[in-house]
Amino acid sequence: TQLLEQSPQFLSIQEGENLTVYCNSSSVFSSLQWYRQEPGEGPVLLVTVVTGGEVKKLKRLTFQFGDARKDSSLHITAAQPGDTGLYLCAGKNSGNTPLVFGKGTRLSVIA
Amino acid sequence: KAGVTQTPRYLIKTRGQQVTLSCSPISGHRSVSWYQQTPGQGLQFLFEYFSETQRNKGNFPGRFSGRQFSNSRSEMNVSTLELGDSALYLCASSLGHLGGNTIYFGEGSWLTVV
Repeated sequence: TQLLEQSPQFLSIQEGENLTVYCNSSSVFSSLQWYRQEPGEGPVLLVTVVTGGEVKKLKRLTFQFGDARKDSSLHITAAQPGDTGLYLCAGKNSGNTPLVFGKGTRLSVIA
Repeated sequence: KAGVTQTPRYLIKTRGQQVTLSCSPISGHRSVSWYQQTPGQGLQFLFEYFSETQRNKGNFPGRFSGRQFSNSRSEMNVSTLELGDSALYLCASSLGHLGGNTIYFGEGSWLTVV
């Protein structure tokens, strides 16, 4: 069974601070996705990374896929209260297999 | 266009009962997958239906079942409910089979078993 470990589990920071959350596995994935889930809602896709070493930016969010395609990170610059939520990474293998999700990092940004 | 719609949003059931949850995918989407989300286990894949056929199944007991109708709407059923079945059940739809398409989640159905 493939597992994705996310760290930290919980993170509480002040508005304006920077942070990085991690998603690690001993398995190789063909692609990796990051989702944000807000209270009372389903997860919403933020980004998909496919190539080892790939870096994608989405405004203040920077996503990186590890060279070996086993790990990924999400860096948020100058966090805002609107960034509060549960951040989930999900790995995808080639073929018709379902996503494997990590348990998530719960981020709280305090104004 | 309308997103993925799940009903009911909240429900409370007693141990031993059964429950049926409904999911209407985004118009035109033919794949519907179901996930269980709990604080301890996170998001776990239950099953996926495409064109009325179950294409993938997660590691859940046979008490968990589902089906898909010709209009792509899907239902999942849990029989003989246990306390541990309390969870958020999420449905997700995509254009094609799980293989490569972006999936879109509904808001979920919160099930509490007492």
